[in-house]
Amino acid sequence: DAMVIQNPRYQVTQFGKPVTLSCSQTLNHNVMYWYQQKSSQAPKLLFHYYDKDFNNEADTPDNFQSRRPNTSFCFLDIRSPGLGDAAMYLCATRKGSGSTDTQYFGPGTRLTVL
Amino acid sequence: GQNIDQPTEMTATEGAIVQINCTYQTSGFNGLFWYQQHAGEAPTFLSYNVLDGLEEKGRFSSFLSRSKGYSYLLLKELQMKDSASYLCAAMDSNYQLIWGAGTKLIIKP
Repeated sequence: DAMVIQNPRYQVTQFGKPVTLSCSQTLNHNVMYWYQQKSSQAPKLLFHYYDKDFNNEADTPDNFQSRRPNTSFCFLDIRSPGLGDAAMYLCATRKGSGSTDTQYFGPGTRLTVL
Repeated sequence: GQNIDQPTEMTATEGAIVQINCTYQTSGFNGLFWYQQHAGEAPTFLSYNVLDGLEEKGRFSSFLSRSKGYSYLLLKELQMKDSASYLCAAMDSNYQLIWGAGTKLIIKP
């Protein structure tokens, strides 16, 4: 089945220790998104790619970086996680940027910072 | 600015009907999405409206009024598994989703 996969599902890291979250998709969608979602809050868009064109939201902290080496994969790097970065990180894909296609989400990675 | 408002929490009884309201303000408008999110899981797509009116899909229906900046999600014949958060998201002129914080729906037997 075509889908969006995120690994790992649960990630525990120590304060200040870099961590990388991964997302892959078999939908062959052009657009990929990274969201951060804290409990009972709206998903907050961090980055999105249309193909390899990278778009950084204005209020995304410099601590967060992203890479998309090919259509299928996208990575979220948190260089020095703080306690406030503990959240669910959601990857989503969409077929095209200039359309109203639905965003499809992966299962998410829950990050705990000790 | 861009804004989505929806109630924080609602409670309903199994077998009943519940309506979850959402109002939005966006720079341009390319449609209104509803997603369901169970605790600790990712959002899953429920419905999309871009024209005024009601879209029915089984037990779930979604309504849109563009002139009022208003939408609702109607859930009929509620089941315990419908206990979840329901997220309203409006697509702006840049095709980006502006998300509400979600309405937590509690179903009681």
